[in-house]
Amino acid sequence: DGGITQSPKYLFRKEGQNVTLSCEQNLNHDAMYWYRQDPGQGLRLIYYSQIVNDFQKGDIAEGYSVSREKKESFPLTVTSAQKNPTAFYLCASSIRGLAGEGEQFFGPGTRLTVL
Amino acid sequence: AQKVTQAQTEISVVEKEDVTLDCVYETRDTTYYLFWYKQPPSGELVFLIRRNSFDEQNEISGRYSWNFQKSTSSFNFTITASQVVDSAVYFCALSGQGGDYKLSFGAGTTVTVRA
Repeated sequence: DGGITQSPKYLFRKEGQNVTLSCEQNLNHDAMYWYRQDPGQGLRLIYYSQIVNDFQKGDIAEGYSVSREKKESFPLTVTSAQKNPTAFYLCASSIRGLAGEGEQFFGPGTRLTVL
Repeated sequence: AQKVTQAQTEISVVEKEDVTLDCVYETRDTTYYLFWYKQPPSGELVFLIRRNSFDEQNEISGRYSWNFQKSTSSFNFTITASQVVDSAVYFCALSGQGGDYKLSFGAGTTVTVRA
């Protein structure tokens, strides 16, 4: 079945540690995205990538890093520089076509808790 | 700048009641796209509908209907004869014509349907 997988589902991290969240899609989508969701708030864009080996900062990129070495993979690293990393992280992908036309498909999310 | 406002934080209804979720948006783009997503307790966002700015026809899909009014910059969503399975957080989102495929999300409306 086609879709987006994120792992792990739950992740605990000690302060000062970097941690990498996995996102894989087999939908053959060009564009991929990382969002952060805090309680009672909408989704905020962290990073996005339209093609392999290229990515752009979103609205809240500080303290995060990404890579896009393969079309199907877009891992997100939460670094120790991120001051308040506890949140729900969602990965998404979409067909790269006319601007805004393609809906984004979302993975099941990773809930990160910093101890 | 793009902005999406969902003024209703929470709505609670009894099963079989109708519920309308409001969405007001702001954009300077002449071409833009509006979306509604559902986030059940499992956390994964589910795409419901996409509407482009040139199509002001209302749409009905089963118990769901959408009312797009460009004159008031609103894209409201109605669930008719609500069911317990409709309990979720619903997000309205906007994408412009900038070619970067970014979505701007509202803060979401939590719908609780009581049996």
